[in-house]
Amino acid sequence: KNEVEQSPQNLTAQEGEFITINCSYSVGISALHWLQQHPGGGIVSLFMLSSGKKKHGRLIATINIQEKHSSLHITASHPRDSAVYICAVNTNSGGSNYKLTFGKGTLLTVNP
Amino acid sequence: GAGVSQSPSNKVTEKGKDVELRCDPISGHTALYWYRQSLGQGLEFLIYFQGNSAPDKSGLPSDRFSAERTGGSVSTLTIQRTQQEDSAVYLCASRTQGNTEAFFGQGTRLTVV
Repeated sequence: KNEVEQSPQNLTAQEGEFITINCSYSVGISALHWLQQHPGGGIVSLFMLSSGKKKHGRLIATINIQEKHSSLHITASHPRDSAVYICAVNTNSGGSNYKLTFGKGTLLTVNP
Repeated sequence: GAGVSQSPSNKVTEKGKDVELRCDPISGHTALYWYRQSLGQGLEFLIYFQGNSAPDKSGLPSDRFSAERTGGSVSTLTIQRTQQEDSAVYLCASRTQGNTEAFFGQGTRLTVV
């Protein structure tokens, strides 16, 4: 079982729909990251959070430490949101929190 | 520079040749990471640098893979005697100490033919 699980693997939506991508993890973490990877391959960090909720524009990320679960929401989705969304965690390993462990990503396609 | 820079952006090499991939992290970022993303797969950790030291090399898939970092800045990932299964996108990321945001380069797409 992977330490970081994302769902769904693939998601197709119509423009304007509300999108939710989920991430569950099984290890102790110090922080969780949501990343966006566009078809060209470049990766952009969207959020880093260790508790609660963060909002940036149409994007909202939440985390529940007790349940070891995070969600990424996109409101009023747009075709330009089409990308792979990746969840990654800073694992607490031997007192160090440097290592990033990644989920396999969620491919989001937003149709006009 | 403004962001993490990787070069080359694309590399096609013949099986058995050696390749070097370069990463220029953001100035002042002490932590540097190399990851690999094979076709259809998630990101796979290769190696982590803190300054010029590599406390975790556990992700390097074989002894054909090595990496170094000099001056606490530029890092080079070297793959010797490349094999077709080495074909992947190799990504570099850097960040400052502690729980901070990681910044990724655009990656090097390596194709071994």
